[in-house]
Order: sequence, then structure tokens, then C-alpha cells
Amino acid sequence: DTAVSQTPKYLVTQMGNDKSIKCEQNLGHDTMYWYKQDSKKFLKIMFSYNNKELIINETVPNRFSPKSPDKAHLNLHINSLELGDSAVYFCASSHSGTGATEQFFGPGTRLTVL
Amino acid sequence: GQNIDQPTEMTATEGAIVQINCTYQTSGFNGLFWYQQHAGEAPTFLSYNVLDGLEEKGRFSSFLSRSKGYSYLLLKELQMKDSASYLCAVRDQYGGATNKLIFGTGTLLAVQP
Repeated sequence: DTAVSQTPKYLVTQMGNDKSIKCEQNLGHDTMYWYKQDSKKFLKIMFSYNNKELIINETVPNRFSPKSPDKAHLNLHINSLELGDSAVYFCASSHSGTGATEQFFGPGTRLTVL
Repeated sequence: GQNIDQPTEMTATEGAIVQINCTYQTSGFNGLFWYQQHAGEAPTFLSYNVLDGLEEKGRFSSFLSRSKGYSYLLLKELQMKDSASYLCAVRDQYGGATNKLIFGTGTLLAVQP
């Protein structure tokens, strides 16, 4: 039983193209996230949605547009891809609030922009 | 500003004990998490501290001192499968329903026979 799933796992594309990454969780969580992990393995939050509402937007270029059709899904669309967008993108989910609300991560999508 | 520091790499021997340190300076603090990440895989949750002191969980323990902005992860009876990156993450006080984690750069641990 997959908890947090992402598609595709690998994405190779040319500069200037538009691409989407999909994420789904079956854990019943109300909060979902997108992270970017660069070549130095630094994991940085990009966006977070709680009950389909955007609550964190971390100075990400507006070429990146997240969309949450419902609590179980959070997709990421990227326009006009650039070389610097090459990274691994992780989706995650958790319950909201404080306490030991661990985040569960998806398997990641390795994006390579040529 | 937000700053979380960890050693970049560490090496230890199978069966030994290793301590991975994390120091943080963040504008807010609402808990500290440790995650493990094997190469090519997703991070997985190891431990959580919000009060000062030691939390023990099998072979893994995590310590927190809020006054010093310091935490460590202690791994006992090291096994080869413990070779991975260990990520320290501070939860910021963003307010409301938010659960924003700020990650350190991670410590790559290599366990040798």
C-alpha cells in the first residue's frame, strides 16, 4: 500500500518546455508539501497546502504553480523549464498542527532539464 | 535568518556508536525532527524532540537543548544499513495549521566493516 506516490519518477526534458508532476496520498492527511532537493542534497520547502488552500509559498519563481484539486492530491506544474530546475522534487504529507506530526515523503521525481 | 548546521560527512565502524550533531539558529522554534535518507530514496522520519532532554527509540536516540540551539542523533550498534544521510529539521512557528520544516544540509554517514 503506497502512502505517498508521485508520477513520474524520472522526467527528462528540454529547456523551455512545460511539465507537470503529480502527487497523491492515501494517509488521510490534510496538509501536503512540495520540496526541492538540489545536487548538494539540500532539501528546501517550496509550497504547502492545507485542505486545498495554499499556506506556504517560499519565494519560488512564478513559473512553478501548485494545484490541489482535493486534500489527497497536490500537483506541480512548471512552465518554461530552465537548467537550474534540475533537481529531485519530493511531495510530502502530514496532519496539520503541532506535536510529533511527522511528514511522510513520496519517492521523489528526478527532473533533468537539458 | 534561518541557519541549521551539521557535519557534511562522518565515518564509523560497524557495531560502534556515532553521534551526529546539529546546531540551529532560527527565528522560531516548534520542535526538531531527524530524518534518514538512503541514496536515491525518500527521507523517512526517525525522531522528534520539542522539550529538552533525550528521546530513546531502539538503537536511535535524539537529544535537544533549546537554550543552546543544539541537538544530536545517537546511533548505537551500527549496522551497514545505517549508511545514509541524516537530516536535522527545525519546525518553524509559522502559525495556524502550518507545519513548516527547515532542513539542514544533512550528514552523510558511511558505516565501514
